[in-house]
Amino acid sequence: AQTVTQSQPEMSVQEAETVTLSCTYDTSESDYYLFWYKQPPSRQMILVIRQEAYKQQNATENRFSVNFQKAAKSFSLKISDSQLGDAAMYFCAYRGPGTYKYIFGTGTRLKVLA
Amino acid sequence: SAVISQKPSRDICQRGTSLTIQCQVDSQVTMMFWYRQQPGQSLTLIATANQGSEATYESGFVIDKFPISRPNLTFSTLTVSNMSPEDSSIYLCSVGEGIPSGNTIYFGEGSWLTVV
Repeated sequence: AQTVTQSQPEMSVQEAETVTLSCTYDTSESDYYLFWYKQPPSRQMILVIRQEAYKQQNATENRFSVNFQKAAKSFSLKISDSQLGDAAMYFCAYRGPGTYKYIFGTGTRLKVLA
Repeated sequence: SAVISQKPSRDICQRGTSLTIQCQVDSQVTMMFWYRQQPGQSLTLIATANQGSEATYESGFVIDKFPISRPNLTFSTLTVSNMSPEDSSIYLCSVGEGIPSGNTIYFGEGSWLTVV
């Protein structure tokens, strides 16, 4: 069965600094999708970034980028120039081919220090 | 992405009662889902809400406890029946665009239920 592991329950970063959140997953599939979602105190889950496994190029969305290492089954999120509004729970998620079912990690709580 | 609205946003419920959560989307969507997020935990898929037919439930979730309706392509309800304190959770409605061939699910704001 597929699993998603986030080994960092909590991280802290100084405002304007860079932080990397880790995520590893386990699958026997070769084609799949990976996501990072952000959940601020307002509770709404917001898509941060997604990566298709068949793409070698790492996805980037403004200050957010990923380091996708397919062989190592690693999918880390880098946040550059951290802002106070980045403080939230961050969830890594996996979706296999031909299915709608997402598997979420346990989340990493990011604190941004002024 | 679609705008997803949930009601209620938050509620405190008495043990043994039932509560219905509504999810309204501003456009027609093929796939709608209900997730549960227990306190401090990750998200777990409860079921897929199928338009015009019975919902598809995940292992550990049953229709008698979590009846779901989906009368059209923009609206769904989830009822949490005969609530106990263990049902205290955030319940999230989500919609899928391009699934299963494509892409991504998007979430409503969630409904935070506390059972006392």
